[in-house]
Amino acid sequence: NAGVMQNPRHLVRRRGQEARLRCSPMKGHSHVYWYRQLPEEGLKFMVYLQKENIIDESGMPKERFSAEFPKEGPSILRIQQVVRGDSAAYFCASSPIDSNYGYTFGSGTRLTVV
Amino acid sequence: GENVEQHPSTLSVQEGDSAVIKCTYSDSASNYFPWYKQELGKRPQLIIDIRSNVGEKKDQRIAVTLNKTAKHFSLHITETQPEDSAVYFCAASRWAEYGNKLVFGAGTILRVKS
Repeated sequence: NAGVMQNPRHLVRRRGQEARLRCSPMKGHSHVYWYRQLPEEGLKFMVYLQKENIIDESGMPKERFSAEFPKEGPSILRIQQVVRGDSAAYFCASSPIDSNYGYTFGSGTRLTVV
Repeated sequence: GENVEQHPSTLSVQEGDSAVIKCTYSDSASNYFPWYKQELGKRPQLIIDIRSNVGEKKDQRIAVTLNKTAKHFSLHITETQPEDSAVYFCAASRWAEYGNKLVFGAGTILRVKS
């Protein structure tokens, strides 16, 4: 049973470009969470999604950031018109609908904006 | 919303000594408290968690205690080893009510000197 899969592992974008980060949850998991970790800082919640639904996006910046978790395929975190301050590690986690356990993080995507 | 504070920010111990990391939380409705270990450049990994219906949980050299009245919880690592060196994060959430959105502390850099 593969863990939470994120790709790409490293992503370099020039200022103004778009970044697309993908997350495939563990098999059978219907909940996906995205967190951002700035260099030498803790993890900050961004968004929580179920299939085809955004449940909580209270941590998402109001502009340029969006997330989706379609019926088929991975969850996508999209950052438009990236700026240097978007450089960070973005971690995805997944859990089943009625888990009694903590969730597992993917290996993350390290975004560098140049 | 929930706010989690973590202390100390850095901790150096001699191999074989114990290490204690403390966290406080603000939301009295929080009921789930995991601890994650993150090695440099890697994903955060769940090492132990505790729910609000218990006061202590132990797993080999690692233990977590919870004081609901004071709203604080602590991680205890005994007989520390060099491989325990990492960044440790505490977190809090209202499990199940809000889909387990975790609020993380800022992290503690633990250095175990051999």
